[in-house]
Amino acid sequence: DGGITQSPKYLFRKEGQNVTLSCEQNLNHDAMYWYRQDPGQGLRLIYYSQIVNDFQKGDIAEGYSVSREKKESFPLTVTSAQKNPTAFYLCASSIDYRGGNTEAFFGQGTRLTVV
Amino acid sequence: AQSVTQPDIHITVSEGASLELRCNYSYGATPYLFWYVQSPGQGLQLLLKYFSGDTLVQGIKGFEAEFKRSQSSFNLRKPSVHWSDAAEYFCAVSDYKLSFGAGTTVTVRA
Repeated sequence: DGGITQSPKYLFRKEGQNVTLSCEQNLNHDAMYWYRQDPGQGLRLIYYSQIVNDFQKGDIAEGYSVSREKKESFPLTVTSAQKNPTAFYLCASSIDYRGGNTEAFFGQGTRLTVV
Repeated sequence: AQSVTQPDIHITVSEGASLELRCNYSYGATPYLFWYVQSPGQGLQLLLKYFSGDTLVQGIKGFEAEFKRSQSSFNLRKPSVHWSDAAEYFCAVSDYKLSFGAGTTVTVRA
């Protein structure tokens, strides 16, 4: 079945450590996105990528990094510079970004907790 | 810059009653508008979308939404709510990336 797979579902990190969240899609979509979700704040865009080997900062990119070496993969690293990393992280993809046709398909999310 | 406002943080509705969730957007050109639903601890599922054409859009699970340019609104409706409709609902607007509202949590009482 086609879809987006995020792993792991739950992740615990000690303060000061970097951690990488995985996102893989087999929908052959060009565009991929990372969102952070906090209660009462909706979804906020961290990074997005419109094509392989290219990505742009979203609204809250500080303390995060990404790579897009393959079309199907868009991993997110939460660095120690992120002051409040405990949140629910959602990865999404869409066919492309052109013309606003950004109907997005979402993974099941990763809940990151800093302990 | 594009933005979305969902004025209602939480709505409680009786099973079988009608539901309307409000969404107001800010966007300079013709907007692309979406409604998504999220169950607790899950990802988002697309309910419906508006790109152009007929301003009344039908979606999955019996939902519909009406685009009103004059009011910059895209309200979601369902004539008769089921207990399984309890979830969080997000309105979103797009140019080349999606911007989401803060969400409305719907509670369904028996």
